[in-house]
Amino acid sequence: KQEVTQIPAALSVPEGENLVLNCSFTDSAIYNLQWFRQDPGKGLTSLLLIQSSQREQTSGRLNASLDKSSGRSTLYIAASQPGDSATYLCAADSNTGKLIFGQGTTLQVKP
Amino acid sequence: EPEVTQTPSHQVTQMGQEVILRCVPISNHLYFYWYRQILGQKVEFLVSFYNNEISEKSEIFDDQFSVERPDGSNFTLKIRSTKLEDSAMYFCASSEDQGMNTEAFFGQGTRLTVV
Repeated sequence: KQEVTQIPAALSVPEGENLVLNCSFTDSAIYNLQWFRQDPGKGLTSLLLIQSSQREQTSGRLNASLDKSSGRSTLYIAASQPGDSATYLCAADSNTGKLIFGQGTTLQVKP
Repeated sequence: EPEVTQTPSHQVTQMGQEVILRCVPISNHLYFYWYRQILGQKVEFLVSFYNNEISEKSEIFDDQFSVERPDGSNFTLKIRSTKLEDSAMYFCASSEDQGMNTEAFFGQGTRLTVV
């Protein structure tokens, strides 16, 4: 049974800092790993999707990596801004379309 | 940009009442999902739906829950007799396909409060 864990649960950084959010999964037989952003009381916005055959994906200041063999994915945020403050969720898809979510990392970027 | 839309944004209902949560998936998508997030907890899968049938459902999705695609655009989640523990944010999602490189898009959610 797939389980997804995110560490740390919360992170506070000063503006401008580069940071890494971690996601680990127990079953390496995944098809995709998807990162989402969730603002308080709001929906889930898809940030990046990495196929199992890929090692990384980039979108603007965001870079997500995937290492299936170790069961890990990271989301790298460069030059963080206060507007990046949100909860970041990772989710693993094992080809049934069902996403298994981590509990999220709540990021606060201080001006 | 196409998006998944959900209505209402917030629903308050009395315990034991029936509720219907509505979703309009992205128009060319074929796979539809419901998830829920109890306050402070993980987002949990409820059900997936394809070709007018349930493809997969979780243990949470018991006989009190049902899904329907009543027409070409709407996708609904019905809770027949709500309980206090059904209070949660309910998210609808859709995807064009399943498998490799298939991105799921989520709606803004319906906050259900059972009193």
